[in-house]
Amino acid sequence: SAVISQKPSRDICQRGTSLTIQCQVDSQVTMMFWYRQQPGQSLTLIATANQGSEATYESGFVIDKFPISRPNLTFSTLTVSNMSPEDSSIYLCSVGGMGDYGYTFGSGTRLTVV
Amino acid sequence: GENVEQHPSTLSVQEGDSAVIKCTYSDSASNYFPWYKQELGKRPQLIIDIRSNVGEKKDQRIAVTLNKTAKHFSLHITETQPEDSAVYFCAASFNFGNEKLTFGTGTRLTIIP
Repeated sequence: SAVISQKPSRDICQRGTSLTIQCQVDSQVTMMFWYRQQPGQSLTLIATANQGSEATYESGFVIDKFPISRPNLTFSTLTVSNMSPEDSSIYLCSVGGMGDYGYTFGSGTRLTVV
Repeated sequence: GENVEQHPSTLSVQEGDSAVIKCTYSDSASNYFPWYKQELGKRPQLIIDIRSNVGEKKDQRIAVTLNKTAKHFSLHITETQPEDSAVYFCAASFNFGNEKLTFGTGTRLTIIP
């Protein structure tokens, strides 16, 4: 299965600033997914990133707030822009399953906005 | 879009007993149903999955059953051990690998020694 390196693992940021989260995959993958997991909650999809096209955002998430880049088949970034305390959460990237292997997740970025 | 409901939200069982977690989905086009285990502070880990052409799948103490007609699937853990304590999430997708997973709300499982 694919191995995903996600960084940073955690950060504390001032409100109004932006943070970019990176995910590097050890193999080429078509689809990458970005999720948010608020404390004690389930995973909510922010957007789907397909290399070579604009990301597709879920209801309630907009590109101006969560711009995503997907420059190649092994890398993606998610930026959390103009942060407020409500953005404090864990952000996870994921890649789709391949063959006998299911979807896998990065280790997550724990973001605290103060 | 797809909606996945999961029950119960919390479950406590005596060590050695069995645990069952149930999920229902809304979109009959969904055909891939994984289960994830998430320990505190860690990423979700896939523990078992099933595709819609199969009714049941087992892996040692863990099994998943799928009822396509009723649109529900269940996770069964037998001979539970303290290390099974975690939060478990079910999910569904209608195009394995190429479409998002829609997650259930999670079940916090506690194994009582």
